[in-house]
Amino acid sequence: QKEVEQNSGPLSVPEGAIASLNCTYSDRGSQSFFWYRQYSGKSPELIMFIYSNGDKEDGRFTAQLNKASQYVSLLIRDSQPSDSATYLCAVNFGYTNAGKSTFGDGTTLTVKP
Amino acid sequence: NAGVTQTPKFQVLKTGQSMTLQCAQDMNHNSMYWYRQDPGMGLRLIYYSASEGTTDKGEVPNGYNVSRLNKREFSLRLESAAPSQTSVYFCASRPDRGVTGELFFGEGSRLTVL
Repeated sequence: QKEVEQNSGPLSVPEGAIASLNCTYSDRGSQSFFWYRQYSGKSPELIMFIYSNGDKEDGRFTAQLNKASQYVSLLIRDSQPSDSATYLCAVNFGYTNAGKSTFGDGTTLTVKP
Repeated sequence: NAGVTQTPKFQVLKTGQSMTLQCAQDMNHNSMYWYRQDPGMGLRLIYYSASEGTTDKGEVPNGYNVSRLNKREFSLRLESAAPSQTSVYFCASRPDRGVTGELFFGEGSRLTVL
């Protein structure tokens, strides 16, 4: 079992729809959770991070964390063609790991006009 | 405002050749990382350095060595390249605040081993 698993893609949604991306992790000691967006041929860039259970909203993006279920998700509202990219979930496994992040394999999202 | 700079951006090697990927950051971060990304996969940690003078293995360290030359620079060396090391390599650094922080990535180095 991979330490960080993401829902298999690709995911395709029409413009204006809500895109839902999911991630589960295996280590209950995980402390912080990140969503990175990666355009084709580019490096990842952070779009959301979350540390506490519940929801965190930033513009059209909402991250949701449920530590009891070991689950983190990313919702993209009013999806735009410019949101088409691969989304990587990353998890940090506690302070003793010096903050190293473990990544899932990513979910590729396509937003169709 | 350079951030994380990697060189070279592209490299083609023959099996058995050696090379070093260079990485430098100007954000005064202590922690630096080397990841590789294969097609359709996420990032896998090769080595990381929590501070100048320290390095630790990640998930896939075999076939690689690293040097943390100073606080700014963290290099990755392939002593005898193999086709399985064909990948995109990303260097990253992390700010020193609290327990965790986001990673800042370089543009990547695309390596092909024939």
